[in-house]
Amino acid sequence: AQSVAQPEDQVNVAEGNPLTVKCTYSVSGNPYLFWYVQYPNRGLQFLLKYITGDNLVKGSYGFEAEFNKSQTSFHLKKPSALVSDSALYFCAVRDDRGSTLGRLYFGRGTQLTVWP
Amino acid sequence: EAQVTQNPRYLITVTGKKLTVTCSQNMNHEYMSWYRQDPGLGLRQIYYSMNVEVTDKGDVPEGYKVSRKEKRNFPLILESPSPNQTSLYFCASSLTARSSYNSPLHFGNGTRLTVT
Repeated sequence: AQSVAQPEDQVNVAEGNPLTVKCTYSVSGNPYLFWYVQYPNRGLQFLLKYITGDNLVKGSYGFEAEFNKSQTSFHLKKPSALVSDSALYFCAVRDDRGSTLGRLYFGRGTQLTVWP
Repeated sequence: EAQVTQNPRYLITVTGKKLTVTCSQNMNHEYMSWYRQDPGLGLRQIYYSMNVEVTDKGDVPEGYKVSRKEKRNFPLILESPSPNQTSLYFCASSLTARSSYNSPLHFGNGTRLTVT
């Protein structure tokens, strides 16, 4: 079965500092990985995805993620955090097998707080 | 504007009183899905639909029903709500299940349901 783990419930970082939100995954086949962000009282918004190719994926709002197959990780990163980046972040892995084709499995989420 | 629209945004009801949460998308998407979000548990899939008249159970389908009579609409029905169904619900869609490789899920803004 596919699964995603986000080991940190909360990440706190000062504005201007780099940030990392961690994600590890478990899949039977090829990994298709996604990051979503949720702002208060809103639905999830897509940030970036890894399907194949370069291990460093660039996405919206200056975020990027590094895919590491040997460590089965897909950590979200940003070189310089903004207060407006404060939100709940979800990592997700896509199931590409048979009858559950297209299903996304989400991690529990990591609350990112960037203080001024 | 391309969007997924859920109604209502907030709903308070009593145990056993049937309710429906509506979901509509204007992007001609084939794939639609319902999730519930609970603290510490992330998002869990309730039901999904690959196309009109094609629905299937997700991870937590008990106590819920869905229907997909039209491509744009995917209502979530709680025949006899119970307090453990108090949660934040999200509807999501993508072009097709296969295209979620390149076309991530689009989410509605959520419905916060309280069952007393």
